[in-house]
Amino acid sequence: IAGITQAPTSQILAAGRRMTLRCTQDMRHNAMYWYRQDLGLGLRLIHYSNTAGTTGKGEVPDGYSVSRANTDDFPLTLASAVPSQTSVYFCASKGTGPTDTQYFGPGTRLTVL
Amino acid sequence: QKEVEQDPGPLSVPEGAIVSLNCTYSNSAFQYFMWYRQYSRKGPELLMYTYSSGNKEDGRFTAQVDKSSKYISLFIRDSQPSDSATYLCAMSVPWGQNFVFGPGTRLSVLP
Repeated sequence: IAGITQAPTSQILAAGRRMTLRCTQDMRHNAMYWYRQDLGLGLRLIHYSNTAGTTGKGEVPDGYSVSRANTDDFPLTLASAVPSQTSVYFCASKGTGPTDTQYFGPGTRLTVL
Repeated sequence: QKEVEQDPGPLSVPEGAIVSLNCTYSNSAFQYFMWYRQYSRKGPELLMYTYSSGNKEDGRFTAQVDKSSKYISLFIRDSQPSDSATYLCAMSVPWGQNFVFGPGTRLSVLP
């Protein structure tokens, strides 16, 4: 593995179903993020984690939950999916230096019907 | 007013043109400014990174920051069809863990 991986690549989901999007990084970055990207709205932060064991809410956290049991993994869970959660989801990670920037995964394209 | 504003385009230019992409922002505490490039159906990738005001050049790309006007720019010289992508600006405060992204400008460079 080099960088950030996300799974699945794409998914079609029935409304009301539970879904977990997976994210794994091998850069030993402390900070990790989940964004959703919608046309015209850009990247919106859902949840973040500054270090293993801690999480925080971003701009659009409702309907989503995260956990950070270790440094490498940061799964995003939709407890009961709704059509408005149809989007492309990106995971990102960042080191703790003052000039470190965010590195993004390839994304998960989710459709909720 | 959104914290970061960016014209969504689309912007179409002929190959070889000089392209100017811009963002404005409202938070004067931002010190780190980034440009990401995102190809269709891919994740954003870092293109340029600047600190505070001034210019930074990397090959055909120049990033410019004017903190007094709260305005940042990305210039692409001798644009190529391979530059066709969405360009997102991003910014953060010193030591900030969270970035604020612009909505992105979609650029098409026509051969």
